[in-house]
Amino acid sequence: DTAVSQTPKYLVTQMGNDKSIKCEQNLGHDTMYWYKQDSKKFLKIMFSYNNKELIINETVPNRFSPKSPDKAHLNLHINSLELGDSAVYFCASSQDQGVGNTIYFGEGSWLTVV
Amino acid sequence: GENVEQHPSTLSVQEGDSAVIKCTYSDSASNYFPWYKQELGKRPQLIIDIRSNVGEKKDQRIAVTLNKTAKHFSLHITETQPEDSAVYFCAASIRTGRRALTFGSGTRLQVQP
Repeated sequence: DTAVSQTPKYLVTQMGNDKSIKCEQNLGHDTMYWYKQDSKKFLKIMFSYNNKELIINETVPNRFSPKSPDKAHLNLHINSLELGDSAVYFCASSQDQGVGNTIYFGEGSWLTVV
Repeated sequence: GENVEQHPSTLSVQEGDSAVIKCTYSDSASNYFPWYKQELGKRPQLIIDIRSNVGEKKDQRIAVTLNKTAKHFSLHITETQPEDSAVYFCAASIRTGRRALTFGSGTRLQVQP
């Protein structure tokens, strides 16, 4: 009964490849996020969707493209992977955009680019 | 945009001692301040939060204080236990507009048995 689930958990790939990370939440939340956590543990917002609509797009390279087929899913596709993309990517969700709503994180996807 | 600074980056205490982690924020319009705990290899999880209309909030051994004038807030853990060892993140958020939580840089707390 995992609330926010993302796959794969571990991903090792070569530079230049294209990869996707999938995320699903079964909490009935309207808002979903992608966060990136680098090797220094900084947690930084990448994207936020509310009911399938993109509402936050931080200064992320165009190689990163989120897709939300419905409000329960938010996938992240990365083109032309670079060494600097190695990080842990956390999917998350909250009830809606309202302040004070708890953000629930997925388990994380450990991406290593070699 | 919002900027959240957190210190110390690492903190080592003896079991039973108290631990204090401090954060400052830049946007005076921010009005929601959660704290997340991330154990090694796990996801961040909310442990306590406070809104701008409250100066202090407690939950068992954990308390958070907020000083809106000075734009800083702190996490206090009393009677620390080894299982409190983790990375703690503060965050700040603004009520209106399309903003996500801005996280601090994290504090690695080590509780020595």
